[in-house]
Amino acid sequence: AQTVTQSQPEMSVQDAETVTLSCTYDTSENNYYLFWYKQPPSRQMILVIRQEAYKQQNATENRFSVNFQKAAKSFSLKISDSQLGDTAMYFCAFMKPPISYNTDKLIFGTGTRLQVFP
Amino acid sequence: DAGVIQSPRHEVTEMGQEVTLRCKPISGHNSLFWYRQTMMRGLELLIYFNNNVPIDDSGMPEDRFSAKMPNASFSTLKIQPSEPRDSAVYFCASGTPSSYEQYFGPGTRLTVT
Repeated sequence: AQTVTQSQPEMSVQDAETVTLSCTYDTSENNYYLFWYKQPPSRQMILVIRQEAYKQQNATENRFSVNFQKAAKSFSLKISDSQLGDTAMYFCAFMKPPISYNTDKLIFGTGTRLQVFP
Repeated sequence: DAGVIQSPRHEVTEMGQEVTLRCKPISGHNSLFWYRQTMMRGLELLIYFNNNVPIDDSGMPEDRFSAKMPNASFSTLKIQPSEPRDSAVYFCASGTPSSYEQYFGPGTRLTVT
């Protein structure tokens, strides 16, 4: 069975600074997908970034980037130039690829609460 | 695109009552997921459907929970009878295999007293 571990329950950072959130996972699959979701106080789940395991290049989305280390089964999220609006819970998630055109479920970590201070 | 629609947004009910949560997925999405979020257990999958067919219901806690997807644009999650430990935020999400992404609704906060 797949598991996702986020070892940092809480993190804080000053605005305009950079912060890295950690995530490790365990799987015997060779191909899969990894995601970071953001959940602000509104509780809406917002996709931040995704990474396909077969791609060696790390994904980036504006101020958000990942460091994907497949051999180490590590998938960290770097937030550059942090903003107050980045304050939220961040969840790392794993998904196996679709089989026979059937999307699989997301397996979530326990989350990291990020507080951005002015 | 209206996104995934869930109703109600908040539900407060007494123990023993029946609760029905509703979800309308994004048009064209063929997968629908029900997740539950609690402080103790985090985010966990309850059940998911592909093309209206239940694929994995191993996360459904017990027989008090049931889910249906009568057509591609509507799903319900029913709890009967409800118990205080069912208090949680219930999310519905939809997706397509081509994008590998799931889009979440705003969630329903259920409180059972």
